Amino acid sequence: QVQLQESGPGLVKPSETLSLTCTVSAVSISGYYWSWIRQAPGKGLEWIGYIYYSGSTNYNPSLKSRVTISVDTSKNHFSLNLSSVTAADTAVYYCARVSGAGSGMDVWGQGTTVTVSS
Amino acid sequence: DIQLTQSPSFLSASVGDRVTITCRASQGISSFLAWYQQKPGKAPKLLIYAASSLQSGVPSRFSGGGSGTEFTLTISSLQPEDFATYYCQQLNSYPLTFGGGTKVEIK
Repeated sequence: QVQLQESGPGLVKPSETLSLTCTVSAVSISGYYWSWIRQAPGKGLEWIGYIYYSGSTNYNPSLKSRVTISVDTSKNHFSLNLSSVTAADTAVYYCARVSGAGSGMDVWGQGTTVTVSS
Repeated sequence: DIQLTQSPSFLSASVGDRVTITCRASQGISSFLAWYQQKPGKAPKLLIYAASSLQSGVPSRFSGGGSGTEFTLTISSLQPEDFATYYCQQLNSYPLTFGGGTKVEIK
């Protein structure tokens, strides 16, 4: 079945760039929208942004100046870069597939914890 | 941004109870609403999409309703595995937003 797996450093220093990759298995990344979502400790869910396999993106305005999401169809993965991180960016980061326009996120990665600390 | 307000934020119920969670949107979102279940330490799981469509593999005791600004998630007979936190999400306009969550605990 379709699986998503996040990978990347679990610890990032303040002011540096957080970089995560989501590897997609058992389905081509083409033809779908792919999202990043995060959840701060004990808090709710925050949508970060999405990318279409063609490369078009849409970001949450609250993070837009610091976020870049990219896709590599040859490796069947997509990535998140979040620059100038602070402790407020400490969270579990999830990648997810958008099942269709307006249809929700039907497949999620297990999540990866990123802590921002010196 | 469209704000989603869930109520209640906390719910204590017994196995077999009928449970309803409400999600209100700050402006109309047609039927572009999804519901998720999240258990501790796990990723959210899609239960309902397009306000009332049951995601494949989800038990039929879960149902969704509503349109416009008011939506509901109903669990017809609460099972032990249903104790979790539930979130609504609007997919009508960007940025996509989630409700604050409803934690369902055992009475």
